[in-house]
Amino acid sequence: SAVISQKPSRDICQRGTSLTIQCQVDSQVTMMFWYRQQPGQSLTLIATANQGSEATYESGFVIDKFPISRPNLTFSTLTVSNMSPEDSSIYLCSVRTGGTGEQFFGPGTRLTVL
Amino acid sequence: SQQGEEDPQALSIQEGENATMNCSYKTSINNLQWYRQNSGRGLVHLILIRSNEREKHSGRLRVTLDTSKKSSSLLITASRAADTASYFCATALIQGAQKLVFGQGTRLTINP
Repeated sequence: SAVISQKPSRDICQRGTSLTIQCQVDSQVTMMFWYRQQPGQSLTLIATANQGSEATYESGFVIDKFPISRPNLTFSTLTVSNMSPEDSSIYLCSVRTGGTGEQFFGPGTRLTVL
Repeated sequence: SQQGEEDPQALSIQEGENATMNCSYKTSINNLQWYRQNSGRGLVHLILIRSNEREKHSGRLRVTLDTSKKSSSLLITASRAADTASYFCATALIQGAQKLVFGQGTRLTINP
């Protein structure tokens, strides 16, 4: 398995501002993902963070709103830009390990936008 | 849209009883994974079952997969209060990056 940490663990932000969430993994992984979990809902994939190239976004998510960086195989950031109360969610980083296909999740970042 | 549907949406049982949660999906998969989430925290990986497997065990957990019916079940035996959590199934699609698509989850409450 992989040990994943996220910073910050939670934050309260004002509308119109931006927040960058960091994800650090204890080993090199090929596949990293960012998910959103809105209150009381399941998880929705935002994008796949590709090392050395632009992230691949899912339908309904755009780079201007959720820019992602992946400078190396152990680190990624997700920025939530120009926030509104509708962005209040838990944001989770996830990685897939090599051969087994198991996918592991970080502890999440709980974001509240006022 | 969500690939999986889980039922029941909520389940409440007495400690010591068995809990069964079901997951159905729509398209062909590479594997199916079950997760537990306590009180809106991160997801804990429970078990992965591949499309060519029918049953897997891990401790008190038993997972079955029926690809002909596109369904899976998670059985927790001899439940404990600490098993109280939300349980999600997630399917890894065959196409593309095998991204995981999550079901809506089952909220399990174990009453002491």
